[in-house]
Parts: sequence; structure tokens; C-alpha cells
Amino acid sequence: DAKTTQPPSMDCAEGRAANLPCNHSTISGNEYVYWYRQIHSQGPQYIIHGLKNNETNEMASLIITEDRKSSTLILPHATLRDTAVYYCIVRVAFGNTGKLIFGQGTTLQVKP
Amino acid sequence: KAGVTQTPRYLIKTRGQQVTLSCSPISGHRSVSWYQQTPGQGLQFLFEYFSETQRNKGNFPGRFSGRQFSNSRSEMNVSTLELGDSALYLCASSLATSRQETQYFGPGTRLLVL
Repeated sequence: DAKTTQPPSMDCAEGRAANLPCNHSTISGNEYVYWYRQIHSQGPQYIIHGLKNNETNEMASLIITEDRKSSTLILPHATLRDTAVYYCIVRVAFGNTGKLIFGQGTTLQVKP
Repeated sequence: KAGVTQTPRYLIKTRGQQVTLSCSPISGHRSVSWYQQTPGQGLQFLFEYFSETQRNKGNFPGRFSGRQFSNSRSEMNVSTLELGDSALYLCASSLATSRQETQYFGPGTRLLVL
């Protein structure tokens, strides 16, 4: 079973920030938080990952709470092309076999 | 650098047949993982190959098998196809080093079993 809980759906106005929450209350100290998104019928796209510090890249920012039990993915200026299913996944940092456990994700609908 | 490629992109088969899907990882990536995505079950892990060896396997019947070649390219095979095998099959590759295990996915192969 997935070790994360996400809201099934969210809406966001185009141009506004999209904040996608994820709960991972049973996360272990050696587990990363990964975010992927899947645009309709395409392969999942890697967005960002982090261990305990906040992370930012050209796509998004990842905010992880100090207790590491939850995180938020931030798309700073959402566009219609950001409409997708967003998956939050926890996985062992190193030495893990290539097994990602996907939950149901959050369907983000960006509206004009 | 080219991304993960999968062939064919679309496939139609009939029950009882067998099918082979191919995945070419990103250059330099040593690990290839396979996933099945269906509307009912979502994205589920099938198996992972590293250095031509299967090192992890999901909860799928033995009809699902795979292999990896010395150039890291991988194939998966499904024998005796069932209607429920209709799905999007995704492969993902990673460097699989101690500091870089992020998986990058291909576009998938959509299999329809009639």
C-alpha cells in the first residue's frame, strides 16, 4: 500500500500558485519524498524530491515540514499545461530497488 | 540526452496470444523497472532489472516476465494474454548509483487485448 495520503482533486486558477499537500506520517528517516505528475495517458514525469530540506527547481518547490510527516508541492504560476495527476511517493533513499509505490494521486485542474 | 523510449507505442492482441514489449533506457542508466497502469488498479510495479538480473518483483503472475540485455535495454513478455492485461505498460530507468536513483519514465505501450 502507498505510504502517502493526498486529496483526490484540486482546482487552481491559471497564473496562481498551486499548492498540493501530501501526508506521509509514517515516513522513516532514510526515506525521500518524491513527486511525479502524469498528464493524460503519458508516462509519469519526475518533478522534484527531497529528504528534509526544502527544495526548488525550475518546475516547482517542495516544502517538507520539520517533523517530515507532510509536504507541499508548489507550482508557483500554474498554467493550463499543469493540469495532471500529481503523485507523492516516499521511498528509501539509497540502496532501494527500483520500486515506486503509487497511490491514487491528486488530480489538479487548472482553470482559465 | 534522449529519454526513455518504448516500442511499440500501441498494440492490439487477442486472448491467448503472447506479447513482447521493449524499453530502451536513458544512456548510462543501469536499472530498468516496469509498471502496469489500469483504471481500476492504478500504477503497479511489475519488476526491476539491474545488470541483467531481476532484483525486485511485484505481485504479478508468472505469465509476466522480463529480461535485460548487456546494453541495459529491457524487454517484458506477457504470455497467454487475458482481457485484464489490457493496460498502459510503462518502463522507467535510473542511474541506480548511491546518489542518483530517480526514475525517469518512458511514454508507455498501450496494450489492448480483445
